[in-house]
Amino acid sequence: AQKITQTQPGMFVQEKEAVTLDCTYDTSDPSYGLFWYKQPSSGEMIFLIYQGSYDQQNATEGRYSLNFQKARKSANLVISASQLGDSAMYFCAMREGDSGGTSYGKLTFGQGTILTVHP
Amino acid sequence: AAGVIQSPRHLIKEKRETATLKCYPIPRHDTVYWYQQGPGQDPQFLISFYEKMQSDKGSIPDRFSAQQFSDYHSELNMSSLELGDSALYFCASSLQGGGNQPQHFGDGTRLSIL
Repeated sequence: AQKITQTQPGMFVQEKEAVTLDCTYDTSDPSYGLFWYKQPSSGEMIFLIYQGSYDQQNATEGRYSLNFQKARKSANLVISASQLGDSAMYFCAMREGDSGGTSYGKLTFGQGTILTVHP
Repeated sequence: AAGVIQSPRHLIKEKRETATLKCYPIPRHDTVYWYQQGPGQDPQFLISFYEKMQSDKGSIPDRFSAQQFSDYHSELNMSSLELGDSALYFCASSLQGGGNQPQHFGDGTRLSIL
């Protein structure tokens, strides 16, 4: 079964507008971490934001915020005030066994969403 | 800030040849991960090391092997290369302990098999 599902192969947004990229996950582990990475066309993988399963508040990092709905097992990325440089592939990823001090965990990635920002 | 360094950035090999990819993690990071990303695919976990010992193994072919050295750098050795091995290979490093410790990725090695 797919552990991370990103249902939007491609998304388009107008510059300066907000956009939400969807991510749902599946795990029976009560302790896990959710990550979003950005991969520009040049290929590098850039860490954006992290949400722990026990975190009470949604994570925010600058223009990025994570809409974490634990009961629905969703961790959507919200990018506010989109910029042309935000055009890239975005991956949602999960690390299981994330309880403090014990995780060696590998990341499991979704299929990614290509975001295109129009001027 | 120092990042994960991978070398070479690009590598072209022929079928049945061997290749060695190198990774230098962020200083003081104790865990190294290797991922393979095929064209148009998401990254797939290959193998990881914690404090120079293998900590987890994913879908790594038997033709591949890896190790982490005393200076924490890691090498991925690939033999009997096949066309299907053409991919972007990422190394990532992190501090063990989970929590809000993300894996930081290098820029990758793009391997092309002719």
